[in-house]
Amino acid sequence: EVQLVESGGGLVLPGGSLRLSCAASGFTFSAYWMSWVRQAPGKGLEWVANIKQDGSEIHYVDSVKGRFTISRDNVKDSLYLQMNSLRAEDTAAYYCATNLKYQAVGAFDIWGQGTMVTVSS
Amino acid sequence: DIVMTQSPDSLAVSLGERATINCKSSQSLLYSSYNKNYLAWYQQKPGQPPKLLIYWASTRGSGVPDRFSGSGSGTDFTLTISSLQAEDVAVYYCQQYYSSWYTFGQGTKLEIK
Repeated sequence: EVQLVESGGGLVLPGGSLRLSCAASGFTFSAYWMSWVRQAPGKGLEWVANIKQDGSEIHYVDSVKGRFTISRDNVKDSLYLQMNSLRAEDTAAYYCATNLKYQAVGAFDIWGQGTMVTVSS
Repeated sequence: DIVMTQSPDSLAVSLGERATINCKSSQSLLYSSYNKNYLAWYQQKPGQPPKLLIYWASTRGSGVPDRFSGSGSGTDFTLTISSLQAEDVAVYYCQQYYSSWYTFGQGTKLEIK
């Protein structure tokens, strides 16, 4: 069964750090671009970052550039998001996502269930 | 960045009636070399991750009922639900993947009238 399982969310103080993980199973993880997408409570979807199969190409939304780092371990079939200098506006559910079936990189047909990050004092 | 704007923000439609959601992009999503529009539509129900409905602007995902259809090209796109069912109550998002910096529309909340 194809699955993405996020972990690592929690409550953190403003200015603090968290590392999110996304464990992939049921498919050849190393063959696919991967992304993080977030959703603040009651708000819409915001793409955060993506990473190419071999990690050679990475992109970020402007609001997290210089604070967040996306990475992957193709041996462990895992995706990561290191989040530093966290702000209240980073409070959101964070999803990892990818496209497996349609050769439409960026049209996400597989999503995890999400992990919640709350930045508050 | 490519800005995606959906209209309306919310919509109430009677069961069995047609629902139409529009999405406009700030630049063309048509990649002429492939003749494909890099536009996807998602459905999100409360407490769930989004579900991909449509990709390449008009191709239905596997298992998506045929009452859902996508149309449009360039900068103007439409998601149509031909006959609204109770289970279609959700928030719908368009998203461009033409640029590697993906962007979503703000969402359209669909309710039953």
